[in-house]
Amino acid sequence: SYVLTQPPSVSVAPGQTARITCGGNNIGSKSVHWYQQKPGQAPVLVVYDDSDRPSGIPERFSGSNSGNTATLTISRVEAGDEADYYCQVWDSSSDRPWVFGGGTKLTVL
Amino acid sequence: EVQLVESGGGLVQPGGSLRLSCAASGFTFSSYDMHWVRQATGKGLEWVSAIGTAGDTYYPGSVKGRFTISRENAKNSLYLQMNSLRAGDTAVYYCARAVGAHTFDYWGQGTLVTVSS
Repeated sequence: SYVLTQPPSVSVAPGQTARITCGGNNIGSKSVHWYQQKPGQAPVLVVYDDSDRPSGIPERFSGSNSGNTATLTISRVEAGDEADYYCQVWDSSSDRPWVFGGGTKLTVL
Repeated sequence: EVQLVESGGGLVQPGGSLRLSCAASGFTFSSYDMHWVRQATGKGLEWVSAIGTAGDTYYPGSVKGRFTISRENAKNSLYLQMNSLRAGDTAVYYCARAVGAHTFDYWGQGTLVTVSS
C-alpha cells in the first residue's frame, strides 16, 4: 500500500518560515491535501490539490508538490499555527485508498 | 454553515457492537460522498470507510465484514454500524465530507469509542 512519510516534528521561531514535508513514491503525480489539527479539535483543511487554499485560510499557508516530495509552507509563523499537520492523498491501488501521513508536530519556539 | 455532528460513541466490551451517527446540515447531503476517519489517542488519522452518493461503500481490510457504513438522505444522516469490536478500534471517530480530488473539506467534532473490558 502507498506510504506517506512526514517528519515527526518541526520547530520554528515566530515570524520565520516553516516547511513540512510529505514523502511518497512519485507523489508529484497525485493531488496532495494538508490538514491542521490543534489539540482536542477536529482536523481543518488548509491546502488542497497541492497548492489551493480553502476560503478563510490565510495566504501564509501554501503548498507545492513535485517528484517524491510535497511541502506545506507556512510563512510568517504565528503562535496560533502550533498544531499537528497531516498530508493526505488518494491511491486507488491501496487497501486504504485515502492515505494519511503520520503527522508532523509544528512547535513555535 | 456546514455542520457535522457525531454521536453514539461510548464504552463497549470486546466483541460488542456500537452504532455511530453523524447529523449533517448546511449543505445538500445527498450530493456528497461521506466518510468516517478515526484517530487513536496520540496517533495519526486513519481512514475507516466511505459511502458514495449512489450508496456504494468502501472499507479497508481491517474493518471489512465488521463495520457497515450507511446513509439516510431523507434525514441528512450518516451511520457506522460497528460489530465485533476490538481494543484496536478504540479511537475518536470523525465523519467528514469529501469533495473534489478525494479531499475532506469539513469534519465533525468526533465521538470517542472505547473498547475495553
